[in-house]
Amino acid sequence: GAVVSQHPSRVICKSGTSVKIECRSLDFQATTMFWYRQFPKQSLMLMATSNEGSKATYEQGVEKDKFLINHASLTLSTLTVTSAHPEDSSFYICSALGEDRGRLFFGSGTQLSVL
Amino acid sequence: GNSVTQMEGPVTLSEEAFLTINCTYTATGYPSLFWYVQYPGEGLQLLLKATKADDKGSNKGFEATYRKETTSFHLEKGSVQVSDSAVYFCALNTGRRALTFGSGTRLQVQP
Repeated sequence: GAVVSQHPSRVICKSGTSVKIECRSLDFQATTMFWYRQFPKQSLMLMATSNEGSKATYEQGVEKDKFLINHASLTLSTLTVTSAHPEDSSFYICSALGEDRGRLFFGSGTQLSVL
Repeated sequence: GNSVTQMEGPVTLSEEAFLTINCTYTATGYPSLFWYVQYPGEGLQLLLKATKADDKGSNKGFEATYRKETTSFHLEKGSVQVSDSAVYFCALNTGRRALTFGSGTRLQVQP
């Protein structure tokens, strides 16, 4: 079955640094990928929709200059958390829209901890 | 807007016990409803879905019925196994390709 690889699975960084999270579709081309964030005991919240070759579409309240999304190829989307702060500590998860009947495939998530 | 509410976990059961995880939703239009499961260290996987009222989704012994009158999509399994230990997410879709998720419910099954 289709697989989405998300890396890293866990990252700890100092406040003020930038962190890049990669999301790859391993055996299919994904023109659309989604980035979600989950705070403890809260829902997975959609942050942005990433479309290959064009600018990402951000949900209301998500700062596009802070959460940079690049979808330069049909198999890779990256989320960069710039100048991370402790309040950015969260679980980030990506999903890719499959070619077959539009199914969604998910990465295993990245736990970001900002000290 | 759309929203999904699930019961808080963790839910701890003994093997072969009956499982119910409650899920209710609020949506505009006529949503499709989903249950996703996340096993430790893996991505979310589609467990089952229902696309219209009174539909029953089923897979691996799990079932959920789309109840429009109560706006619910409760997940059930008659006899859980240790291997069912995971986090379960209820979700809906109203035509946007992105899903609206609940907060997830962790299930722990003890031998």
